[in-house]
Amino acid sequence: DAGVIQSPRHEVTEMGQEVTLRCKPISGHNSLFWYRQTMMRGLELLIYFNNNVPIDDSGMPEDRFSAKMPNASFSTLKIQPSEPRDSAVYFCASSRTGEKLFFGSGTQLSVL
Amino acid sequence: SQQGEEDPQALSIQEGENATMNCSYKTSINNLQWYRQNSGRGLVHLILIRSNEREKHSGRLRVTLDTSKKSSSLLITASRAADTASYFCEGADGLTFGKGTHLIIQP
Repeated sequence: DAGVIQSPRHEVTEMGQEVTLRCKPISGHNSLFWYRQTMMRGLELLIYFNNNVPIDDSGMPEDRFSAKMPNASFSTLKIQPSEPRDSAVYFCASSRTGEKLFFGSGTQLSVL
Repeated sequence: SQQGEEDPQALSIQEGENATMNCSYKTSINNLQWYRQNSGRGLVHLILIRSNEREKHSGRLRVTLDTSKKSSSLLITASRAADTASYFCEGADGLTFGKGTHLIIQP
């Protein structure tokens, strides 16, 4: 199994641009999580899906952030427009409900 | 709110010594999990302890759980340089992580 796959690994963009982060969960996992990690705030849950349905998006900081899971094998996190304070590492993780999480390698986002 | 909060925030010890990290949580849990994060990488699951368990071992790892105090501890015995990482506890099925304990093993 290839594990959770995230792309891109690094993203550098200018303020105001749209950013799309991608995640492929492990096959058979029915829960998917998006996190943001910074030194100041630690690891924050942004949103999680169960069976492709968003369950809790209370961690999404603003309307500029949106996430979709069109099918069991793909999810996106979009930031539009991006701002410098969005700079962080974004992680995707998947699991079977109630079991341990498997994390992707993350996307290092820098908004200039 | 954070379901898992680790203590201390940072810990530096000599190679070969034991490292102990603590975790406190706020609400009832079904299980508690510990994860490790190496610099620049995603979190990796270490061990899960269920609410009806008091202690669990896995290799050099020993985890305890005290549900009456809403706390857990992770002990790493005979530490190695490769154990240098951040360690997180989580007790809400992935919903909340603390800021972790940054462990440095000095050779």
